Amino acid sequence: GAGVSQTPSNKVTEKGKYVELRCDPISGHTALYWYRQSLGQGPEFLIYFQGTGAADDSGLPNDRFFAVRPEGSVSTLKIQRTERGDSAVYLCASSLKSSGSQNTQYFGPGTRLTVL
Amino acid sequence: RKEVEQDPGPFNVPEGATVAFNCTYSNSASQSFFWYRQDCRKEPKLLMSVYSSGNEDGRFTAQLNRASQYISLLIRDSKLSDSATYLCVLAGNYGQNFVFGPGTRLSVLP
Repeated sequence: GAGVSQTPSNKVTEKGKYVELRCDPISGHTALYWYRQSLGQGPEFLIYFQGTGAADDSGLPNDRFFAVRPEGSVSTLKIQRTERGDSAVYLCASSLKSSGSQNTQYFGPGTRLTVL
Repeated sequence: RKEVEQDPGPFNVPEGATVAFNCTYSNSASQSFFWYRQDCRKEPKLLMSVYSSGNEDGRFTAQLNRASQYISLLIRDSKLSDSATYLCVLAGNYGQNFVFGPGTRLSVLP
């Protein structure tokens, strides 16, 4: 079946602009996660949704970052007033459930964000 | 101390070699453990879950030592296609995010 998809695959923007990154999880997966990965490092947790609600947003670096999942499926990560330090690959993952034996996360291909 | 630590490598090994990676973690409450593999400029993909009793999947063997808080991955008879970064991953039991290690790079040479 279809895996996790993310759009756009690449986004180049200028410092100070607003960007939206979209994630389409695997159908039926209730949990959705956003991570950020910089070169040479492992993915860093940003936020996770259980259904429509953000169950844990402790990884969001500041209030310029916000994410929504209004219908419990597609999610959008929004970054306001982008800064050069926001440049990274933004990865989305989904899992059937968020705990127990069905918490394996499946990742999308990521959106490579470059802030000039 | 970082929550998850791994030897960054790179590990450069010839085809057919056996190679082992270790990962140490600081949060004793961690409940789930995984190894993910990530190819260059690609997303992480699940290699295997790690169980307390240890588990094997073909050429790959994973071990968990809760007392010492470390996880290991052994790759036997390495292939060129095993070249990738191997990420050690932990999760809590109640729906938490995954915590990733920085990864260990493996290059299998002909």
